Amino acid sequence: DAGVIQSPRHEVTEMGQEVTLRCKPISGHNSLFWYRQTMMRGLELLIYFNNNVPIDDSGMPEDRFSAKMPNASFSTLKIQPSEPRDSAVYFCASSYGSGETQYFGPGTRLLVL
Amino acid sequence: SQQGEEDPQALSIQEGENATMNCSYKTSINNLQWYRQNSGRGLVHLILIRSNEREKHSGRLRVTLDTSKKSSSLLITASRAADTASYFCATDLTGANSKLTFGKGITLSVRP
Repeated sequence: DAGVIQSPRHEVTEMGQEVTLRCKPISGHNSLFWYRQTMMRGLELLIYFNNNVPIDDSGMPEDRFSAKMPNASFSTLKIQPSEPRDSAVYFCASSYGSGETQYFGPGTRLLVL
Repeated sequence: SQQGEEDPQALSIQEGENATMNCSYKTSINNLQWYRQNSGRGLVHLILIRSNEREKHSGRLRVTLDTSKKSSSLLITASRAADTASYFCATDLTGANSKLTFGKGITLSVRP
């Protein structure tokens, strides 16, 4: 199994631009999580899905952030418009069951100038 | 405040020594998990211990869980330089729509 796949691995953009991060979970997993990690705030859960349905989006910072999971093998996290404070590493993780072992992707390192 | 809080925040030991890291939590859990993160990488699952278990082993790792004290410890025996990483505990809270809540992590440095 290829594990959780994230793209792009690095993204540099200018303030105000739209950013789309992509994630392919492990086949057969029914839970998908988006996290953000910074030195200041640590690892934060942004949103998670069970069976493609968003269950808890209380961690999404504001309306500029949106996430979708159109099918069991693909999810996106979109930031529009992006701001410098959005600079962070964004991780996607998947699991079979929301409280069980999570498998993390390699992350997308986002820098907003 | 954090559900899972690790202690200490940072630990520096000599290769060959044992490393002990602790995690405390506040409410009832279904399970507690430990993860490792090497610099610039995603988190990697190490071990999961369920609320009805008291101790688990995996290679050089030993995890204990004391639900009466709401605490867990991760012991790495005979540490190696390659164990240098950040270690996180994560708790799966009881109740509907359970999800993992991660602590802030412990930075472990193993000196060769």
